[in-house]
Amino acid sequence: DQQVKQNSPSLSVQEGRISILNCDYTNSMFDYFLWYKKYPAEGPTFLISISSIKDKNEDGRFTVFLNKSAKHLSLHIVPSQPGDSAVYFCAASEGQNFVFGPGTRLSVLP
Amino acid sequence: DSGVTQTPKHLITATGQRVTLRCSPRSGDLSVYWYQQSLDQGLQFLIQYYNGEERAKGNILERFSAQQFPDLHSELNLSSLELGDSALYFCASSAYSGPGDGYTFGSGTRLTVV
Repeated sequence: DQQVKQNSPSLSVQEGRISILNCDYTNSMFDYFLWYKKYPAEGPTFLISISSIKDKNEDGRFTVFLNKSAKHLSLHIVPSQPGDSAVYFCAASEGQNFVFGPGTRLSVLP
Repeated sequence: DSGVTQTPKHLITATGQRVTLRCSPRSGDLSVYWYQQSLDQGLQFLIQYYNGEERAKGNILERFSAQQFPDLHSELNLSSLELGDSALYFCASSAYSGPGDGYTFGSGTRLTVV
């Protein structure tokens, strides 16, 4: 039973356009959400987070939106760059326990 | 370099054997987390230690155990290995005992059981 779902295993976007990665969760007790980026042969790297008391958090080209009623969050990357090509993991936490989604592989085409 | 060091990077061993994976957290971080990533799977939380004490447990098999030493490095012990234990094992560290601004991950240990 996956508590955190990323239903798109992969996504291809043209350079300069917007990338939108989606994440759904089932546990309404999750109170903190994070996005990680992972390149091959490296560990995941923290990207951006959002607390359940907010609905938006922005950091440069990256914006995370949270819709608590829909139990949905999304990561927007604008503009997308070839260096953004990686696997993106959504994670949610309730207290100590982080639950990661299966990841979405983003390919940004030049 | 994230500051979290995992050794070895690669490990190939036979079924039934026992291995130890080692993690040195980022300087100043008291929490260490272990995660398993199997093929096409997300990151599965195994266990967390905070300043030497077990703080949270996830989907960790009884054949697996971990500990955190006084110098804060951690070891994950995997015994009676099965083919299905082949995976990437990541260690992460953070300065806090709960969610903060995210964890810092090491580059992982790739375990292959043959």
